[in-house]
Amino acid sequence: QKEVEQNSGPLSVPEGAIASLNCTYSDRGSQSFFWYRQYSGKSPELIMSIYSNGDKEDGRFTAQLNKASQYVSLLIRDSQPSDSATYLCAVNENNFNKFYFGSGTKLNVKP
Amino acid sequence: KAGVTQTPRYLIKTRGQQVTLSCSPISGHRSVSWYQQTPGQGLQFLFEYFSETQRNKGNFPGRFSGRQFSNSRSEMNVSTLELGDSALYLCASSLAPGTGDGYTFGSGTRLTVV
Repeated sequence: QKEVEQNSGPLSVPEGAIASLNCTYSDRGSQSFFWYRQYSGKSPELIMSIYSNGDKEDGRFTAQLNKASQYVSLLIRDSQPSDSATYLCAVNENNFNKFYFGSGTKLNVKP
Repeated sequence: KAGVTQTPRYLIKTRGQQVTLSCSPISGHRSVSWYQQTPGQGLQFLFEYFSETQRNKGNFPGRFSGRQFSNSRSEMNVSTLELGDSALYLCASSLAPGTGDGYTFGSGTRLTVV
């Protein structure tokens, strides 16, 4: 069974701080990695994708991938209360359109 | 452009009944996947359809089935409902399999089995 592991949190950070969310995965053949944000009572929304080792930046968000360590992370700079949500890590199975999701990390950004 | 549309938003059914959920993907998206989300198990993959064919299936019993129509709209059916089927059912669309694109999720159907 392929696994995607995330710390369930909650992770609490003060407004303006950097929030660091981590994810590990078991399948070395995984090709694509995604971060989704899910507000309470809402459906997940895609915020970042990453395919190659290294960093990828998009606004206040930076995704980091290390395939050798089977590790992907999401950094949120200048965290805002509106960033308070559950962040889901998703890993693609060998280019099939089948994704394994972690259980999510709940982030609380305190004003 | 219109997003992923799921109907109905909420359903209450009795054990033993069956239910059909509907999903219309984003225009131009031809791949539709279904997920079940529960507090205990998180998001679990049910199945994926592309060009009216089921390409992948998750580890769910045969009571869970689906199909896709020529216009890419998809339905999933759950027969002989059990209490444990209570969940949020999410439909996700993407352009096509293997592109590595992420999903766009619909708002989901909240199914409650009593």
